[in-house]
Amino acid sequence: DTEVTQTPKHLVMGMTNKKSLKCEQHMGHRAMYWYKQKAKKPPELMFVYSYEKLSINESVPSRFSPECPNSSLLNLHLHALQPEDSALYLCASSQGSGGTEGYEQYFGPGTRLTVT
Amino acid sequence: AQSVAQPEDQVNVAEGNPLTVKCTYSVSGNPYLFWYVQYPNRGLQFLLKYITGDNLVKGSYGFEAEFNKSQTSFHLKKPSALVSDSALYFCAVRDGGYQKVTFGTGTKLQVIP
Repeated sequence: DTEVTQTPKHLVMGMTNKKSLKCEQHMGHRAMYWYKQKAKKPPELMFVYSYEKLSINESVPSRFSPECPNSSLLNLHLHALQPEDSALYLCASSQGSGGTEGYEQYFGPGTRLTVT
Repeated sequence: AQSVAQPEDQVNVAEGNPLTVKCTYSVSGNPYLFWYVQYPNRGLQFLLKYITGDNLVKGSYGFEAEFNKSQTSFHLKKPSALVSDSALYFCAVRDGGYQKVTFGTGTKLQVIP
């Protein structure tokens, strides 16, 4: 099973709302990622978790708060977002995140977020 | 520092013809190179990678890529294009000493029937 699942598929939220995005993988991968992607642009890395610990935060605003409850789950908590945060949010996982192994990433289908 | 460039925003090719999508990279250490494909409103799908070894790498759906160290390139190729290959293709690189993968700007491949 090489599937990464993400819920919800679509999310519309106001600037004062609090919502969460969820990502799940059952491939035994030890690294998980959050990316933000604008239309026709490459994915922009937001966070990397390695062995359930946050290892990279790409200077993401605090209105985005990641959480890794266990090795299979990754959440992204959203609060007080801005309209410019509207984008496709992609979750990915890989067997490892660095070193010499060169593991590829497996991506979920994404959550299309619209902030009104 | 690491970077990757995809010089073509769009590539058009007739169905049945060979296709090439170009990628060049820059790293300070050993490069780990990847190609991903993205269909509309979907996540990225892994196609192939170069880590070490044979410079010609074969991947999914008949795609292959050639690693050229002297030209710092990793072009994606397919001998015979299908209409269903039409999608957005991303090249990506990771310097061996880093966790972060850097993606190119993407090339839209249009296969014309």
